[in-house]
Amino acid sequence: DAGVIQSPRHEVTEMGQEVTLRCKPISGHDYLFWYRQTMMRGLELLIYFNNNVPIDDSGMPEDRFSAKMPNASFSTLKIQPSEPRDSAVYFCASRRQVTGELFFGEGSRLTVL
Amino acid sequence: GDSVTQMEGPVTLSEEACLTINCTYTATGYPSLFWYVQYPGEGLQLLLKATKADDKGSNKGFEATYRKETTSFHLEKGSVQVSDSAVYFCALSVGGSQGNLIFGKGTKLSVKP
Repeated sequence: DAGVIQSPRHEVTEMGQEVTLRCKPISGHDYLFWYRQTMMRGLELLIYFNNNVPIDDSGMPEDRFSAKMPNASFSTLKIQPSEPRDSAVYFCASRRQVTGELFFGEGSRLTVL
Repeated sequence: GDSVTQMEGPVTLSEEACLTINCTYTATGYPSLFWYVQYPGEGLQLLLKATKADDKGSNKGFEATYRKETTSFHLEKGSVQVSDSAVYFCALSVGGSQGNLIFGKGTKLSVKP
């Protein structure tokens, strides 16, 4: 079975550019999560969805960040405009409501110059 | 609020040494507890879990026992291998299958031959 699929795996961009990260959760999973991982702050929850509806976006750093889930099989995390401090690895994860186990994608490593 | 505290790393051990990574938690409800492992360049994956007090989770030679009286879930392995080198995250989920996992900051383990 395919796991959580993220793209791109690596993104290098310049400050001020728009960045869009994509995620395809595991089929049948009800929850989708976006995390950010940095050396300084560890693993931070940005936002999560249940049945495509955003439930908690309190972790979204500021208005430059936005996330959407237009359907059960696709989500995007957008940063506009990007800044060097946004450089991190962004993980998408999904889970089924019953099991509780989170399945992570391999991450998107973002570098903003 | 709910939180997880785990020992800071990095931890460096020789092959076949014993491992203990401490994890304690604070939760208002009755959480499920998890250990996730992150190998270099990969996403997090579930290592083991326990859903109620006195449960023992085990996998790949690792064990952790849910201790309600000490609010702990320490990860142990009797004999580590070089292939165990990774970052280990303790996490909790409150409210059963609802909501988010709360992660500790992670402990990096390096095992030397």
